[in-house]
Amino acid sequence: GENVEQHPSTLSVQEGDSAVIKCTYSDSASNYFPWYKQELGKRPQLIIDIRSNVGEKKDQRIAVTLNKTAKHFSLHITETQPEDSAVYFCAASSPGNQFYFGTGTSLTVIP
Amino acid sequence: GAVVSQHPSWVICKSGTSVKIECRSLDFQATTMFWYRQFPKQSLMLMATSNEGSKATYEQGVEKDKFLINHASLTLSTLTVTSAHPEDSSFYICSARLAGGWADTQYFGPGTRLTVL
Repeated sequence: GENVEQHPSTLSVQEGDSAVIKCTYSDSASNYFPWYKQELGKRPQLIIDIRSNVGEKKDQRIAVTLNKTAKHFSLHITETQPEDSAVYFCAASSPGNQFYFGTGTSLTVIP
Repeated sequence: GAVVSQHPSWVICKSGTSVKIECRSLDFQATTMFWYRQFPKQSLMLMATSNEGSKATYEQGVEKDKFLINHASLTLSTLTVTSAHPEDSSFYICSARLAGGWADTQYFGPGTRLTVL
């Protein structure tokens, strides 16, 4: 089965700086890579996703890059704000199959 | 669009009782729903995959007779924790799969915090 690893487990950045979270996956059949943001006690919210036919996708301050050859993908948050503080999960899946989640990254943005 | 509701949001029960949690996709039909359990500061642990009109598929180590799943319609799946014990206390989250032409996306419910006394 798929194995997704996520690093770092915790990340602290100053407000305005960038944050990068990295994930690797093992199954070359995986073709869909979503990122979820989860605030304390709340549901995971889909913030951005990428499919294997593209290498990069951007949505305002958030971007995701994918390297299929190396089997890794990353979340980039620029100009971080205190409200970006949350736990972020990456996931990998192939059509019709379950999501395999990373272990999560707790991001703290220091004002 | 793609809203998933979950009810109740929290429940406190006595040891030995059963608790039913509902998961609904409000604006789309979901042939597949997933049930997760999440411990504090940990990732989502998949418990079972719920398919409409068929038996759920449980992950290894999850007791089928303890965590009963029913997916009776395209918009509703239920998880019943039978004879709950304190060790079953956790945050339970469902998700519904929105099938796409290229890949499927999962949308999560708000979760149910179960406390068993």
